[in-house]
Amino acid sequence: EAGVTQFPSHSVIEKGQTVTLRCDPISGHDNLYWYRRVMGKEIKFLLHFVKESKQDESGMPNNRFLAERTGGTYSTLKVQPAELEDSGVYFCASSHQGQGARYFGPGTRLTVT
Amino acid sequence: AQSVTQPDIHITVSEGASLELRCNYSYGATPYLFWYVQSPGQGLQLLLKYFSGDTLVQGIKGFEAEFKRSQSSFNLRKPSVHWSDAAEYFCAVVTSGGYQKVTFGIGTKLQVIP
Repeated sequence: EAGVTQFPSHSVIEKGQTVTLRCDPISGHDNLYWYRRVMGKEIKFLLHFVKESKQDESGMPNNRFLAERTGGTYSTLKVQPAELEDSGVYFCASSHQGQGARYFGPGTRLTVT
Repeated sequence: AQSVTQPDIHITVSEGASLELRCNYSYGATPYLFWYVQSPGQGLQLLLKYFSGDTLVQGIKGFEAEFKRSQSSFNLRKPSVHWSDAAEYFCAVVTSGGYQKVTFGIGTKLQVIP
């Protein structure tokens, strides 16, 4: 079984630019989560999809972040415009209903300069 | 709101020595508790979890953890560390009632020396 995949693995952009991160969950997993780890801090919840619907987006830092999951399969997380404090590692996770965030991807390391 | 404390940011142990990583949580109800490990270049891998029942939980790679309600702790242990155990370890708690949102500790980096 393929795991959760994320693309790109690393992205370096300048402040003010736009970046789109992609997550492909494990096939058949309805739940998809985004988390972020800023350097030296805890891994923080961003949002949770159930299929294509946003179940909980209470962790999204501001309106520069937009997450989508069209068709209930892969998800994208767009940051526009990027700021320096957006740098960090963005993790995606997926699970079946009721399991919580069990299967994590390798993360995308975003560096905003 | 729930919180997780991992008091040790870095730990160094010799290969073959025993290991204990500390984790304390703050949560009003019975928590669901997890330990994850992240090896360099890898995603977060679930080591073990506690939902209910036996307070001593066995996980993968020879790890175990013990839930102690009186101490609000869920410490991770391994009797003999291998060099491949060098990684970052995260304790986490999940809210009940659907256990969807995971709250992580800050992580403990484990260094294993020969």
